[in-house]
Amino acid sequence: GAGVSQSPSNKVTEKGKDVELRCDPISGHTALYWYRQSLGQGLEFLIYFQGNSAPDKSGLPSDRFSAERTGGSVSTLTIQRTQQEDSAVYLCASSFRLAGGEQFFGPGTRLTVL
Amino acid sequence: EDQVTQSPEALRLQEGESSSLNCSYTVSGLRGLFWYRQDPGKGPEFLFTLYSAGEEKEKERLKATLTKKKSFLHITAPKPEDSATYLCAVQIGTYKYIFGTGTRLKVLA
Repeated sequence: GAGVSQSPSNKVTEKGKDVELRCDPISGHTALYWYRQSLGQGLEFLIYFQGNSAPDKSGLPSDRFSAERTGGSVSTLTIQRTQQEDSAVYLCASSFRLAGGEQFFGPGTRLTVL
Repeated sequence: EDQVTQSPEALRLQEGESSSLNCSYTVSGLRGLFWYRQDPGKGPEFLFTLYSAGEEKEKERLKATLTKKKSFLHITAPKPEDSATYLCAVQIGTYKYIFGTGTRLKVLA
């Protein structure tokens, strides 16, 4: 079956603009995660969704970051007023289990803020 | 502080030259340790899950083991197609994972 998909694959934007990153998880996967991967850094946890609700938003770097998930499926990560330090690869992962277990990752969105 | 450290950062092997990648962790409560493979421009791909010290898992040329404070990913007779970045992650909460920075493996033909 289809894996996790993300769009766009690449996004170049100007500082101060808003961007939306989309994630389509594997059908039937209830848990959804967003991570950020910067060069030379480990994956940084951003947010976790259990169905449509996000019990933990503690990883969001600032209030410029927000995320939502609708219908227990597609999720959107929005970054407002982008800054150069937001440049990174944003990865989405889904999991069949609500708590723990292996995660299935999408290919990521490479965000470049000029 | 919960921490995951992988070594070496980079490793170059000749085809057929076996070696091990290391993952050390300092966490308050380990719920599972995961190994992933990441190819350039792609997301991590799940390889193994280990839950308790002494556990071992194998897949083709890869073997993962777990001790109380470390995990090892042993690669036997590697091939060029094994070249990738290998990531170690520990689960420390219901849905919280800490990832290491990875080991970049290059296998030369």
